[in-house]
Amino acid sequence: AQSVTQPDIHITVSEGASLELRCNYSYGATPYLFWYVQSPGQGLQLLLKYFSGDTLVQGIKGFEAEFKRSQSSFNLRKPSVHWSDAAEYFCAVVPPSGTASKLTFGTGTRLQVTL
Amino acid sequence: GAGVSQSPSNKVTEKGKDVELRCDPISGHTALYWYRQSLGQGLEFLIYFQGNSAPDKSGLPSDRFSAERTGGSVSTLTIQRTQQEDSAVYLCASSRPHYNEQFFGPGTRLTVL
Repeated sequence: AQSVTQPDIHITVSEGASLELRCNYSYGATPYLFWYVQSPGQGLQLLLKYFSGDTLVQGIKGFEAEFKRSQSSFNLRKPSVHWSDAAEYFCAVVPPSGTASKLTFGTGTRLQVTL
Repeated sequence: GAGVSQSPSNKVTEKGKDVELRCDPISGHTALYWYRQSLGQGLEFLIYFQGNSAPDKSGLPSDRFSAERTGGSVSTLTIQRTQQEDSAVYLCASSRPHYNEQFFGPGTRLTVL
């Protein structure tokens, strides 16, 4: 069965510092990959997605992610974190197909930003 | 345009009561999903509807849970005889046909006393 692992439950960074959130997946074929962000009391907002092609993907709010097939990873990065980035971040996958399919989520990483 | 909307935003009920949660997807999105987010279980898939196809109910945790989608648009998730372990945030999402980018609503927080 497919699975998504986010090894870091909680990360604290200083405002202005760089950020990397880890995501590893286990799946027979390379799935479609997503990062979502959830602010307190809010729904999920899509930050970026990878289906194929260029392995470095740019998203909203200055985030980017790099797909590494050899490591089955899709880590999320931001060069300079802002206090408003404090939230919970979820990595998710779906099977690579042309039809809609359910997301399988990681357990999430809670980001705290110190001023 | 308008995003996915869900109602109510909060629901408090007593154990044993039935509840209905509503989701209004983005216009033109034929795929609609329900997920549950709870402290112990994280984000779990419940059910999804794709056009006129039979829904995928593989994530429903028990037969107390059911969902319907009327006219290919609005969906209602019903939980019968609620239990305290049903307390969670219920999230709805929708997507365009043949497209995997899902847009989420703000969720309904259900508390079962």
